[in-house]
Amino acid sequence: DSGVTQTPKHLITATGQRVTLRCSPRSGDLSVYWYQQSLDQGLQFLIQYYNGEERAKGNILERFSAQQFPDLHSELNLSSLELGDSALYFCASARGDGNTIYFGEGSWLTVV
Amino acid sequence: QQPVQSPQAVILREGEDAVINCSSSKALYSVHWYRQKHGEAPVFLMILLKGGEQKGHDKISASFNEKKQQSSLYLTASQLSYSGTYFCGTESDSGGSNYKLTFGKGTLLTVNP
Repeated sequence: DSGVTQTPKHLITATGQRVTLRCSPRSGDLSVYWYQQSLDQGLQFLIQYYNGEERAKGNILERFSAQQFPDLHSELNLSSLELGDSALYFCASARGDGNTIYFGEGSWLTVV
Repeated sequence: QQPVQSPQAVILREGEDAVINCSSSKALYSVHWYRQKHGEAPVFLMILLKGGEQKGHDKISASFNEKKQQSSLYLTASQLSYSGTYFCGTESDSGGSNYKLTFGKGTLLTVNP
């Protein structure tokens, strides 16, 4: 158990819908990362937050957005879902910069 | 920019050694190594920061050649538990970290009895 908590673990939704994935980082960790993992693309970096502020952006679609709240939990919002958005979404956290990054168990999203 | 890992897959017998390579076209600030078993979260193995140091624990070690922007992961006397997909993640050097940890496509390691 890494200490990073993600909910829900599994989610099935229809195309065009919107979902929110939630992440609670390890106690004391200020950085939160979001990754998308699919069979063909591997682990794709989406976005990073540090202490509530967006720190770095990767291959995140405009239909996706994220935020980190004052209590440091983070949410990833996925809208206008398409079949290709089906993937495992990981949240990870770290104490700060250049530290070990711990991954949560992931949220399986299936778009039908 | 995504780092390139090689080989894509390797099959070993228990007790054999393996080397997994990770290379980037950009100057690197750090290299992270993770192992992921099917359906599970990636698990941290080690971080190497620019400075060319070699790190390791038990029978898994790694090196980082910042001049060549390459890192290698060494697994010696492999055990069945080493099976999984190994990912390297890299942070580019922009006078420090660029904060984007980008992963390679992974190397699938299978250790057979």
